[in-house]
Amino acid sequence: EAQVTQNPRYLITVTGKKLTVTCSQNMNHEYMSWYRQDPGLGLRQIYYSMNVEVTDKGDVPEGYKVSRKEKRNFPLILESPSPNQTSLYFCASSLSRGFHEKLFFGSGTQLSVL
Amino acid sequence: GQQVMQIPQYQHVQEGEDFTTYCNSSTTLSNIQWYKQRPGGHPVFLIQLVKSGEVKKQKRLTFQFGEAKKNSSLHITATQTTDVGTYFCAGPGTTDSWGKLQFGSGTQVVVTP
Repeated sequence: EAQVTQNPRYLITVTGKKLTVTCSQNMNHEYMSWYRQDPGLGLRQIYYSMNVEVTDKGDVPEGYKVSRKEKRNFPLILESPSPNQTSLYFCASSLSRGFHEKLFFGSGTQLSVL
Repeated sequence: GQQVMQIPQYQHVQEGEDFTTYCNSSTTLSNIQWYKQRPGGHPVFLIQLVKSGEVKKQKRLTFQFGEAKKNSSLHITATQTTDVGTYFCAGPGTTDSWGKLQFGSGTQVVVTP
């Protein structure tokens, strides 16, 4: 089944403890992206990747890191999480970032930083 | 930079009624996409509009792209409980930030039986 898989689904951590949220897609998509969703603010883009080894900042990249060593994986790293990073995170992918490509989203990761 | 605004933020609808949600951009969009997120779920692609003045229909849903390509609307007729969720529009970045996709803040729809 074609899908974007995120893990974990729920995560509670403490301030300053490094964490990684994994994202994997099995559709051979070139483009991958991370979003955070907060009430009243919609989905805000954190980072995106047009292809392997190519990453770029979205609108809210501060406090986050990403890497794209393989086409299928695009992990989101929080080196020193803070409470303002408590949010619902979504990974998404599309065939390319071309004109007509739709995004496929993972199921989301609810992160709480205490 | 580009901003995509959506109104209303909340929409309470009686089952069987119609409603419309609007998306406005501060800049001209090359295309616009619409997504639906059910409660507790993830966004799911609904449709993409590309041409000025384009109108597309999916059963009871009608999507429209403005003539100036700076606004879009989603109209739902005869609302059903299955229409509950949050509807987002999304527009691409400019040519020098092609990978960016900016989402509106969404319209949360609640349907009363």
